[in-house]
Amino acid sequence: DAEITQSPRHKITETGRQVTLACHQTWNHNNMFWYRQDLGHGLRLIHYSYGVHDTNKGEVSDGYSVSRSNTEDLPLTLESAASSQTSVYFCASRGATGELFFGEGSRLTVL
Amino acid sequence: GENVEQHPSTLSVQEGDSAVIKCTYSDSASNYFPWYKQELGKRPQLIIDIRSNVGEKKDQRIAVTLNKTAKHFSLHITETQPEDSAVYFCAGALYNTDKLIFGTGTRLQVFP
Repeated sequence: DAEITQSPRHKITETGRQVTLACHQTWNHNNMFWYRQDLGHGLRLIHYSYGVHDTNKGEVSDGYSVSRSNTEDLPLTLESAASSQTSVYFCASRGATGELFFGEGSRLTVL
Repeated sequence: GENVEQHPSTLSVQEGDSAVIKCTYSDSASNYFPWYKQELGKRPQLIIDIRSNVGEKKDQRIAVTLNKTAKHFSLHITETQPEDSAVYFCAGALYNTDKLIFGTGTRLQVFP
């Protein structure tokens, strides 16, 4: 079955380190998104992509970057991790009907 | 850009009662309004959606209503059951051409 997977599922890192969260989907969807989930803030959009080599900033993009070199993958990079970036990160891709399919989430702790 | 506000943040009901969650949106161009359910420790999943060419949509015990003039939409759950306990998110976007902007979520607890 087609799916969307994230890795790692859990990560602890130190302030200032570079971190990359991977997202891989096998539906061949063009549209992919990264959200972060924090208590009281719901799901906030970080970056999104409508296709290969296309990337766009979302609501809370500062300190994050993405790249899209193929259809299947949209890795999210934290260039210099900060404690404020401790969160649960969800990757998603959008199907033809508009539905977002979410990955299982990556819990990141920045100490 | 779009801004979506959601109320209440928490909602407790007795099993069998109805639950209503309300959202407002800011961008009059938005025409797609989905609702996602997130069970504890799980990923959000779509439960129902509505497009602006209809005012109401039902699927068994859940229904969504949309008032384009007032720019608000609501989720209605009837005959609630303990398994309805979860966090519910509303969202808004220009259908299939824009990114989804989510509300802040409502934690629904259904007590037996």
